[in-house]
Amino acid sequence: DTGVSQDPRHKITKRGQNVTFRCDPISEHNRLYWYRQTLGQGPEFLTYFQNEAQLEKSRLLSDRFSAERPKGSFSTLEIQRTEQGDSAMYLCASSLETSRDEQFFGPGTRLTVL
Amino acid sequence: AQKVTQAQTEISVVEKEDVTLDCVYETRDTTYYLFWYKQPPSGELVFLIRRNSFDEQNEISGRYSWNFQKSTSSFNFTITASQVVDSAVYFCALTSFGGSQGNLIFGKGTKLSVKP
Repeated sequence: DTGVSQDPRHKITKRGQNVTFRCDPISEHNRLYWYRQTLGQGPEFLTYFQNEAQLEKSRLLSDRFSAERPKGSFSTLEIQRTEQGDSAMYLCASSLETSRDEQFFGPGTRLTVL
Repeated sequence: AQKVTQAQTEISVVEKEDVTLDCVYETRDTTYYLFWYKQPPSGELVFLIRRNSFDEQNEISGRYSWNFQKSTSSFNFTITASQVVDSAVYFCALTSFGGSQGNLIFGKGTKLSVKP
């Protein structure tokens, strides 16, 4: 078991460009979560999937954000028309089945929007 | 609404000192789970412990211990004989069980610096 992996680890983009991040969860985990963390803050929930179904989205997830988890395996998070306020660490986590199961986090993707 | 408060922003101790990190939570749910995570300088969050709302027993794991008190809505974390490798940001988090909630609500974290 190699843990949760995320790609890329760092992304620098210009305002207005689209970016896409990938997360590969632990293989037997059914739940996959996306969080955003800004400097000096705790992670903030964005969205989560149970298998391929997106079950919940935070108000933080504006229309410019979209997440998918085709076939219930890896997930992608796309941000369209990036803004400087999107600069943050984007964290992916996975867990076995329910909200009582501990979530295992990936190393994150650090996004810088110039 | 659910909320987690970690009032201590930064703590600095000298190696071998004991240190307690405070966590106070708010929830209307009767069934919930509390967690502690460690985020070392490398950035990856590491799971430390999970506690459900029906289990108020304190837990000890090596140099780590946790004190859960429902009466004060607190879930404090103590490191005994701290070491330099304990330097990290520590997050307390809350989630409810069942319903539509699946996400963790994190506090803002406490940055612990352990100096040799």
